[in-house]
This record gives sequence, structure tokens and C-alpha cells, in this order.
Amino acid sequence: DGGITQSPKYLFRKEGQNVTLSCEQNLNHDAMYWYRQDPGQGLRLIYYSQIVNDFQKGDIAEGYSVSREKKESFPLTVTSAQKNPTAFYLCASGDRTNTEAFFGQGTRLTVV
Amino acid sequence: EDQVTQSPEALRLQEGESSSLNCSYTVSGLRGLFWYRQDPGKGPEFLFTLYSAGEEKEKERLKATLTKKESFLHITAPKPEDSATYLCAVQAHNNDMRFGAGTRLTVKP
Repeated sequence: DGGITQSPKYLFRKEGQNVTLSCEQNLNHDAMYWYRQDPGQGLRLIYYSQIVNDFQKGDIAEGYSVSREKKESFPLTVTSAQKNPTAFYLCASGDRTNTEAFFGQGTRLTVV
Repeated sequence: EDQVTQSPEALRLQEGESSSLNCSYTVSGLRGLFWYRQDPGKGPEFLFTLYSAGEEKEKERLKATLTKKESFLHITAPKPEDSATYLCAVQAHNNDMRFGAGTRLTVKP
């Protein structure tokens, strides 16, 4: 089955720790995105990548880092510098010929 | 700055009671407008892309329309399984994509 897989579904982190969220796609899409969703707010773009080994900051990149070493994978690291990391994180991918993005099932991160 | 505003924030309908959700936008050069459905705790599910004013698309009980300033998602004779949050997003020619906060739809039997 083609799709986008995010793992884990739930993640708990202690304050001061870095944590990495996984996103893998087998849709052969060039573009991949990371969004953050908070209650009552729209999705906000953290980082995006249009091609392997290249990525750009979105609106709220501070405290986050990404890598794009393979076309299929776009992991997101939430660092200790992110002041309010508790949120629902969504990964998406899209190709260059169509504009719509397809989403994974999300990772809910809670800082304890 | 590109903006997307969805209204109402929440909508409660009786089963069979048709209605519309609104998405107003300002964007510098529209590349596409997207509608998604999101169930609680899940990722958004793609519904429609609209590219130009006057365009319409349908899927089962849903119909999306687009003007130069807004889009409507019309729901005809909704069923309880249509209950979800509906998200609107716009993409500008610079590929920047902006999402609205969504409309939470509840359909009661």
C-alpha cells in the first residue's frame, strides 16, 4: 500500500531532551512537509523539502531541525530549545505535477 | 500576508439538514485551494483541489466551489458519518501553503 507512515503515534519527552519523529513515504513524492497542529489553530508549517539534501524553514522553525538524506524519509527533531513542544505533529508529501499534499496519521508529542 | 479564514468555527446539523462551510482567503497569486477532512486524532484526508474561480468539484454528499475571494463546501443531506473537522488551505505561486483553523461539523441522527 502506498502512503505516508509516521511513528510513533504517541511520544512522551522529558523537558530538556531532544526527540526525533519519523516520517516515511513510498509515494515517490519529491516534496515533504512538517506541520504542527494546536487546538483551535490552523496547521503551521515547520519545515519543508522540495528535493533530497535540501530543505527550507517554514513559519515556526525555531527549536526544530530536519534532514532529507533520502527521498523517502524526512525526520523531524524537536530540540530542547523548543519552548512549547507539546502538540500534534503532521508530516505530508506531494509531487511537483499536482499541488495537493497527502498527510500521515500524525504523532502526538507530550512533554512531561 | 496570505490569510485563510474559515467560518463558522463549529456547526451542528440534524441528519439530512443541508448547509455550507465557508473559506475566505487572501493570497498573492492562487496556485490552488484545497479541502481536507480530519477526524479526531488522525491526519487530514484530502478531498478536493480547486484551481480557478468558477470551478466546482463533487464527491458523494460534498460539493466544493471557488470564487476569487472564497470557497464553499456544500454538504447535502449530511449523515452522522460526515461529522469531522473540515480544513481549507490555499497555496500561492511561491508554493507557500496556508491552512485555516477549520470548521468542526457535528451531524446528529
